[in-house]
Amino acid sequence: DSGVTQTPKHLITATGQRVTLRCSPRSGDLSVYWYQQSLDQGLQFLIQYYNGEERAKGNILERFSAQQFPDLHSELNLSSLELGDSALYFCASSVGPAPEQYFGPGTRLTVT
Amino acid sequence: GENVEQHPSTLSVQEGDSAVIKCTYSDSASNYFPWYKQELGKGPQLIIDIRSNVGEKKDQRIAVTLNKTAKHFSLHITETQPEDSAVYFCAASTRGGGADGLTFGKGTHLIIQP
Repeated sequence: DSGVTQTPKHLITATGQRVTLRCSPRSGDLSVYWYQQSLDQGLQFLIQYYNGEERAKGNILERFSAQQFPDLHSELNLSSLELGDSALYFCASSVGPAPEQYFGPGTRLTVT
Repeated sequence: GENVEQHPSTLSVQEGDSAVIKCTYSDSASNYFPWYKQELGKGPQLIIDIRSNVGEKKDQRIAVTLNKTAKHFSLHITETQPEDSAVYFCAASTRGGGADGLTFGKGTHLIIQP
């Protein structure tokens, strides 16, 4: 158990809908990262937040957005969902200055 | 941006033998190289990492080597056991200070044959 929690574990929704994925980092970690894992694209970095501020952006679509709250939990919002958005979404956290990232158990999103 | 290539995609070894997984990276500015193990239905688990100022690092049965000149790094697992069966990912980061996402290889499915 990495100490990173993610909810929900599974999510099934329809095309065009909007969903919110939630992540709580390990106690003391200030950085939160979001990744998408799919069979064709592999593990891809989406976005990073550090202590409430956006720090780095990867291959995140404009339909996706994220934020980190004062209690350091983070939410990833996915809108206008398409079939191709079906994937595992992982959150990872790190202390901040240290690069080691610890992953949560993931949320499996299925878009039908 | 950074590109990480990982080989092989599948590796089958006899229990007790050694396994080696190799990765190459493209960005010479990358300075942090972690390895993750992912079991079915779970998130990636950090098993070992190496920074660019170090050539080799060992932790019990696993070791990682880094060749900065050739821009490649490898994971070595000795005395393999059934619980080593999983998918292994290498990754690279251009800013080892934590202000960056990781670029991952495509993964190696390691199968330990009894």
